[in-house]
Amino acid sequence: NAGVTQTPKFQVLKTGQSMTLQCAQDMNHNSMYWYRQDPGMGLRLIYYSASEGTTDKGEVPNGYNVSRLNKREFSLRLESAAPSQTSVYFCASSVNNQPQHFGDGTRLSIL
Amino acid sequence: EDKVVQSPLSLVVHEGDTVTLNCSYEVTNFRSLLWYKQEKKAPTFLFMLTSSGIEKKSGRLSSILDKKELFSILNITATQTGDSAVYLCASLLIYDKVIFGPGTSLSVIP
Repeated sequence: NAGVTQTPKFQVLKTGQSMTLQCAQDMNHNSMYWYRQDPGMGLRLIYYSASEGTTDKGEVPNGYNVSRLNKREFSLRLESAAPSQTSVYFCASSVNNQPQHFGDGTRLSIL
Repeated sequence: EDKVVQSPLSLVVHEGDTVTLNCSYEVTNFRSLLWYKQEKKAPTFLFMLTSSGIEKKSGRLSSILDKKELFSILNITATQTGDSAVYLCASLLIYDKVIFGPGTSLSVIP
C-alpha cells in the first residue's frame, strides 16, 4: 500500500545542472500535482495534471517542466537548476474533488 | 489571481488553551475548503468543507465554512503538545486545482 512515492528523497545539484524528480501513485487517481515548500510560504503549486495527457501551470511554473507519462506517473524537470529552486518538493494525487494524498517530499539543494 | 490567506502566521499557546485559526480565500470556481496538519513531513488531511454553516468535528478539532464571507476557521480545544504543527488551509477549485495558504505555525508549550 505505497500511496504516493517520490524519488529521490534528497538531492544536491550544482547551478546549471538538470534533473528530474519522479512521482508515482498506485491509487488510480486522475489528478496529480507538484508543489514546492519554502519556509513561511506554505505549499505553492508548480504544475498540476487533471487527467492523463493534460498539464496546467500553477502559481510558480517558471524554470520547471512536467510530464504526465501515464495515469500513475508525473515527473518534474529542472532544465537548468538555480539556487532559487532550493526547496522541498511535494507530489500529490487526488480523485474526483477529494482531498489530496501527498508523498514524503524531496529535499533539493542547489549550490 | 487565486489567493488563500491565513492568520495568524504563527501562534504560541500553553497546553489546555483553545485556539482559533483563520483562513480566507479569493478564488474563482471554488468547490471546497481543505484543512491539513503538517508536522515533520507530508501534510495530513483534517477536514473538507463544502457547505456553509455545517460544522465538522474530529475529537478536539472542529471547523466551519462561511461561503458568503469567503472564510473558514479551525478550532482546537484543550490543546496538547502533540498539536504543535503547521496548519494549512487550501481551496479546491474546478478541475481539481488546489491552492494553499501560507500556513499557521502553532506551538503548544507545556
